[in-house]
Amino acid sequence: NSKVIQTPRYLVKGQGQKAKMRCIPEKGHPVVFWYQQNKNNEFKFLINFQNQEVLQQIDMTEKRFSAECPSNSPCSLEIQSSEAGDSALYLCASSPTENTLYFGAGTRLSVL
Amino acid sequence: GDSVTQTEGPVTVSESESLIINCTYSATSIAYPNLFWYVRYPGEGLQLLLKVITAGQKGSSRGFEATYNKETTSFHLQKASVQESDSAVYYCALGAQGTGSKLSFGKGAKLTVSP
Repeated sequence: NSKVIQTPRYLVKGQGQKAKMRCIPEKGHPVVFWYQQNKNNEFKFLINFQNQEVLQQIDMTEKRFSAECPSNSPCSLEIQSSEAGDSALYLCASSPTENTLYFGAGTRLSVL
Repeated sequence: GDSVTQTEGPVTVSESESLIINCTYSATSIAYPNLFWYVRYPGEGLQLLLKVITAGQKGSSRGFEATYNKETTSFHLQKASVQESDSAVYYCALGAQGTGSKLSFGKGAKLTVSP
């Protein structure tokens, strides 16, 4: 069973509302990733962190999405003003000092 | 960019029959890509099935095998005799070596094994 904990499992928001989801990475894993998986099963990389610092992020993430991984607190991904197109499964993954990703169960966001 | 193309589901196979799920990759920005198969069983999260980091090598797990073929840029997943419990969605992925490297995923193949 995955040791990456994501909450909540389901999130329902209206358009324009904020949507926030959290992730506790596996203990000892310094790297955290966020992916979006849409209804066509396509994965989109959003952002990753190493020890609280951003490693990479895509343009979309810079504009409406914000994410952080503070020390001693869960990581979080927040959508400032949700749009219908943001409806997707949001996956958090953590990684030790190599490139295998260990995923949480995901947060399914529905924007009505 | 880097991408993965794989058999897209659904794939239906009878129990004890053989299986192959195709995966080909394009790694334009990665000199030595690592290749992965992930699996999502019903009601569970995505988990690593197998990983191969060196061209020409074969990875295996739970009766599944995949060989990293650099010449054909392929990493097909095979199993000689599937079981009902193998019903799941299988994703091929590639990434660079090293800490913090993001993975690029295929769209997944939903396998249904009928009894």
